[in-house]
Amino acid sequence: DAGVTQSPTHLIKTRGQQVTLRCSPKSGHDTVSWYQQALGQGPQFIFQYYEEEERQRGNFPDRFSGHQFPNYSSELNVNALLLGDSALYLCASKFGDQPQHFGDGTRLSIL
Amino acid sequence: SQQGEEDPQALSIQEGENATMNCSYKTSINNLQWYRQNSGRGLVHLILIRSNEREKHSGRLRVTLDTSKKSSSLLITASRAADTASYFCATVRKAAGNKLTFGGGTRVLVKP
Repeated sequence: DAGVTQSPTHLIKTRGQQVTLRCSPKSGHDTVSWYQQALGQGPQFIFQYYEEEERQRGNFPDRFSGHQFPNYSSELNVNALLLGDSALYLCASKFGDQPQHFGDGTRLSIL
Repeated sequence: SQQGEEDPQALSIQEGENATMNCSYKTSINNLQWYRQNSGRGLVHLILIRSNEREKHSGRLRVTLDTSKKSSSLLITASRAADTASYFCATVRKAAGNKLTFGGGTRVLVKP
């Protein structure tokens, strides 16, 4: 039973570019959340998707957007990349009130 | 801003010793969860304690929750080198939509 899978594992971009990160939830899970984790810090909640809609959003600018597909997979898009967007981006999935399961993340570096 | 704050920020112990880390938070919660993160990897859920519970055990893990002091502790008994990781507490508040709000973590090094 595959857990949460994220792609790519690493990505290097330059300032001003746009990036798309992908997440496949654990089998049976229908809710996907995205987190940003800067080096040495705890994860920060970006947003959560359920039934293909954004249900909650953290304190992130509109440059951060997402999508959930009918198969529950999700994408995180970031436009106009800034140096400060360099971080580990984590996807987590769950079903109902069960604890979230995390993927291993995408390491995004902005040059 | 982060709801939970862990203490200490870093901890170094010998294999076989116990490791204790604490988490404080600011507002009322529905539950508090502890996660482990190995270097460069995702987070692994360890244990969940609800606001009406005071203590929970899972294997070598013991978690306490004191809602009057808005604090929680995680005890790892008989530590192993494989316990080397960062440990995070995360709070859940229904008023905040049930999202996880993480603290800054405690980095634990278990020396063989």
